[in-house]
Amino acid sequence: EVKLLESGGGLVQPGGSLRLSCAASGFNFNINDMTWVRQAPGKGLEWVSCFSVSDITTYYADSVKGRFTMSRDNSKNTVYLQMNSLGSGDTAVYYCVKNSGFFDAWGQGTMVTVSS
Amino acid sequence: EMVMTQSPATLSVSPGEGVTLSCRASESVGSSLAWYRQKPGQAPRLLIYDASTRATGIPDRFSGSGSGTEFTLTISSLQLEDFAVYYCLHYYKWPRTFGQGTKVEIK
Repeated sequence: EVKLLESGGGLVQPGGSLRLSCAASGFNFNINDMTWVRQAPGKGLEWVSCFSVSDITTYYADSVKGRFTMSRDNSKNTVYLQMNSLGSGDTAVYYCVKNSGFFDAWGQGTMVTVSS
Repeated sequence: EMVMTQSPATLSVSPGEGVTLSCRASESVGSSLAWYRQKPGQAPRLLIYDASTRATGIPDRFSGSGSGTEFTLTISSLQLEDFAVYYCLHYYKWPRTFGQGTKVEIK
């Protein structure tokens, strides 16, 4: 069974930083693309970033490019999302997602609130 | 950036009835289209990928069709757990984009 467990969310002040983690299990992590998707309160889904194993490239949405950095540690089956220069528009539930082209398995999400 | 437009925004339906949801892409995405159902307070769940393939464990009351720019999700007989928000997603190129969602509510 695929399991994705996010952690690291919380309350942060505008301009601050936060690092999210996602521990994965139940599949061959090393060969799978991984993705972050977020959802602002009461809003729709927004793709944030993806680490492509085949391209050895990380892709980012324009809204986070230059501020967010996605990384992975294959020895720990974990992906990370380093978020800097946070603003109110970044307040959302952040989901870690297993990516087979389409997004086929989702974690339960971790809430990030940017507020003074 | 690919724009995905879902219609209608809201559907009011009685349990047991069938519904058809639409998703339109601003340019062709081939068959690289997925559908998700999101219940309140839960993460989205994959229903359909490659436009028409049901994901593992998804009942056959869900069916997807379309290619290019026009796609539909049909639910043949709504169960209580189907009253939720549905999203389409293209994975044809970067960036990936979702539709804005269709809410299916109880009439």
